[in-house]
Amino acid sequence: AIRMTQSPSSFSASTGDRVTITCRASQGISSYLAWYQQKPGKAPKLLIYAASTLQSGVPSRFSGSGSGTDFTLTISCLQSEDFATYYCQQYYSYPPTTFGGGTKVEIK
Amino acid sequence: QVQLQESGPGLVKPSQTLSLTCTVSGGSISSGSYYWSWIRQPAGKGLEWIGRIYTSGSTNYNPSLKSRVTISVDTSKNQFSLKLSSVTAADTAVYYCARDGRLDPLFDPWGQGTLVTVSS
Repeated sequence: AIRMTQSPSSFSASTGDRVTITCRASQGISSYLAWYQQKPGKAPKLLIYAASTLQSGVPSRFSGSGSGTDFTLTISCLQSEDFATYYCQQYYSYPPTTFGGGTKVEIK
Repeated sequence: QVQLQESGPGLVKPSQTLSLTCTVSGGSISSGSYYWSWIRQPAGKGLEWIGRIYTSGSTNYNPSLKSRVTISVDTSKNQFSLKLSSVTAADTAVYYCARDGRLDPLFDPWGQGTLVTVSS
């Protein structure tokens, strides 16, 4: 199975900050990468797929980039509702589709 | 819009079989050519895809769980189900059902999740 590694595992930021989360695949996955947001006690929510395509209804402050093995999720201007844990997912080679370990964005 | 809801026992004894059902509302499970998946998340940990089913009954499973997993569908009830046999404490997790993509395994929407604890 393809292994997905996210960094950092957690960090603190302030409202208004520009933040970047990194995801690395253990082998090339082209652009078959998705990002999910999960708030405490809730199910994950699909934000981005195909590395850079925003899911309908997702604010434009979210953006994704990358291809091959290295990907980033950027939040251009962090809002209070964005404090959450973010997961990347590869779907280049499945089954199984696999997720990263998550990056928790906390309030500074 | 489509909504999903998991149901089943919250406590299962070791070595027994975990059984959960996901009820789909707001649309037919048979329409739209979607797959339907189960995903789990141990407390404080990441997400693990368990497997998926198409309404024809075709399934795909995570190789790490394949020997213990069975996913089935009942289109007449608009439900699909998960059975995980020979459970241990390592199977304690929140279990989610989710609609899977038509082509690629992109999960949207998800059920709210249900905690299953394996303990005697």
